[in-house]
Amino acid sequence: EPEVTQTPSHQVTQMGQEVILRCVPISNHLYFYWYRQILGQKVEFLVSFYNNEISEKSEIFDDQFSVERPDGSNFTLKIRSTKLEDSAMYFCASREFSQPDTEAFFGQGTRLTVV
Amino acid sequence: AQKVTQAQTEISVVEKEDVTLDCVYETRDTTYYLFWYKQPPSGELVFLIRRNSFDEQNEISGRYSWNFQKSTSSFNFTITASQVVDSAVYFCALSEARGSGYSTLTFGKGTMLLVSP
Repeated sequence: EPEVTQTPSHQVTQMGQEVILRCVPISNHLYFYWYRQILGQKVEFLVSFYNNEISEKSEIFDDQFSVERPDGSNFTLKIRSTKLEDSAMYFCASREFSQPDTEAFFGQGTRLTVV
Repeated sequence: AQKVTQAQTEISVVEKEDVTLDCVYETRDTTYYLFWYKQPPSGELVFLIRRNSFDEQNEISGRYSWNFQKSTSSFNFTITASQVVDSAVYFCALSEARGSGYSTLTFGKGTMLLVSP
């Protein structure tokens, strides 16, 4: 069964460092997302991406964040200068179509710990 | 703005008990979709069910059942004869059609279900 894969599963980084989280969406999917879950809290939308550009982003997704699809298979989330409050589980998701009833398939998450 | 409320933070039951997880949502749209996801201790998000706003039929899948009531804006989830493997955090989520054609998921805060032997 096709699945969304994320690497690494856990990343520890020092405050102020840049970090790149990687995702490989399901191959025929066209819509990609990043969500974040701070420990013990709800899952929050960060950004959606289609046709090589951001289609929507939340207030959380400030200038420290960026996304790209560098090679047609990977979908990355970059945090330029990490802060302690960026520590969270980051989920990548992909969907085949944009319609809101289309299931979003989530990866297993990357746990980012900023120290 | 859309909002999903899961008032139950944590529920503890003993194996074989039935348990209902509540979900109440707010939306101004007439067309929307509701989802339930399960997050086991390993951390991944597992899709359980999707329901659109025009279909109020209840659904049963094995030990799982869902009760969608538009009149009360609720989409409750019942596990019958709970098992230890059901222990997880369960998230209710809402998806609306946007003018741009795109949509995202708005999640509730989740309900942690602990099933003890």
